[in-house]
Amino acid sequence: KAGVTQTPRYLIKTRGQQVTLSCSPISGHRSVSWYQQTPGQGLQFLFEYFSETQRNKGNFPGRFSGRQFSNSRSEMNVSTLELGDSALYLCASSESRVMTRQETQYFGPGTRLLVL
Amino acid sequence: AQKVTQAQTEISVVEKEDVTLDCVYETRDTTYYLFWYKQPPSGELVFLIRRNSFDEQNEISGRYSWNFQKSTSSFNFTITASQVVDSAVYFCALSSYVAGGFKTIFGAGTRLFVKA
Repeated sequence: KAGVTQTPRYLIKTRGQQVTLSCSPISGHRSVSWYQQTPGQGLQFLFEYFSETQRNKGNFPGRFSGRQFSNSRSEMNVSTLELGDSALYLCASSESRVMTRQETQYFGPGTRLLVL
Repeated sequence: AQKVTQAQTEISVVEKEDVTLDCVYETRDTTYYLFWYKQPPSGELVFLIRRNSFDEQNEISGRYSWNFQKSTSSFNFTITASQVVDSAVYFCALSSYVAGGFKTIFGAGTRLFVKA
């Protein structure tokens, strides 16, 4: 099976712009989570989607939004970019709603966003 | 509130030494899941192990072993006979279902340097 894929891998934007990042989960995985990783704050949970519904959300401003499509692919959007949004954005997918002994989040390679 | 503490920011060892990475967690949930991930310089988080809160069995996988102790809320990770390829940042993570959704919080990470 192919792993989690994220596009684009690298992105440079300027303050005030908006950006959309894409994540394709492992085939058969229905849950997609997004994380932001920065040197200062570490890995922080953004949100989780399951069957096109946001099930959980971290403590981020409304400028950060996401969605999930019927094929489980997910996008996250950041509007009105700020310098502090520069980070590695990681997407993770897992198989199902119910945590079983076999369920685990598998991560993509991430999108490195630089805001100038 | 949930919390994961990795007190060791950086560890440096010489190849073939054994090294233990510490992880202490806090949660009020009775059912939760603990993970270790490895992040090499490429940035992708690589899954190493998952442990359920109701399963305190320790585990060994090759040179890797994990010691889960609920009594001390710890989930430590030991690498035996370390190798240069083990150099990476290692994250401990805690997951649970919160308000119907799945949420994961990560520790700050421990950067491991293995010198030849």
